[in-house]
Amino acid sequence: EIVMTQSPATLSVSPGERATLSCRASQSISSNLAWYQQNPGQGPRLLIYGASTRTTGIPARFSGSGSGTEFTLTISSLQSEDFAVYYCQQYHNWPRTFGQGTKLEIK
Amino acid sequence: QVQLVESGGGLVKPGGSLRLSCAASGFTFSDYYMTWFRQPPGKGLEWVSHISRSSSTISYADSVKGRFTISRDNAKNSLFLQMNSLRAEDTAVYYCARDLYGSGSLFDYWGLGTLVTVSS
Repeated sequence: EIVMTQSPATLSVSPGERATLSCRASQSISSNLAWYQQNPGQGPRLLIYGASTRTTGIPARFSGSGSGTEFTLTISSLQSEDFAVYYCQQYHNWPRTFGQGTKLEIK
Repeated sequence: QVQLVESGGGLVKPGGSLRLSCAASGFTFSDYYMTWFRQPPGKGLEWVSHISRSSSTISYADSVKGRFTISRDNAKNSLFLQMNSLRAEDTAVYYCARDLYGSGSLFDYWGLGTLVTVSS
């Protein structure tokens, strides 16, 4: 099973600033990585797939990068609605696995 | 608009059973693979099971294999998860999700979840 490790566990950033979230895979997953956003009491929302492709309707301030084992989600100018928990997920091997999440909180 | 609504969660004793349902609307249910995930309180997400459009392909996580059964009724736009021999470690919010490409890779719509608590 591929283990996904996210860092940091919690990230405190002020609105309008940039946030950088990291995700590492225990083995190469090529670009088979997705990012999800989850707000309290809701199911996750798919933001990015293929490591860098935004899904329909996701603002351009969200960007993803990386390949192999190291990945990054960057939110360029944080809006109030961006403060949530973010998960990375690999779909290179079965079972599909998620990182433990990064909580993005208001500084 | 796409909606997925889970139901059937609750409190059950260890060794007991529950049947979860997921009602789908806003899309052609029979065109999509569907998946169950779970999330223990305060923890991350775990893939549980998925089912193909015609139910011909089914997979389970090792942690639930032999105890859980996924099924679907395309005529009723519904997805199910029969959970038997429940354990404390099955306590979680259970989500159903639509599989975007039918490859078990990406999940573009999720429900709000239903809480399953296994405790004596």
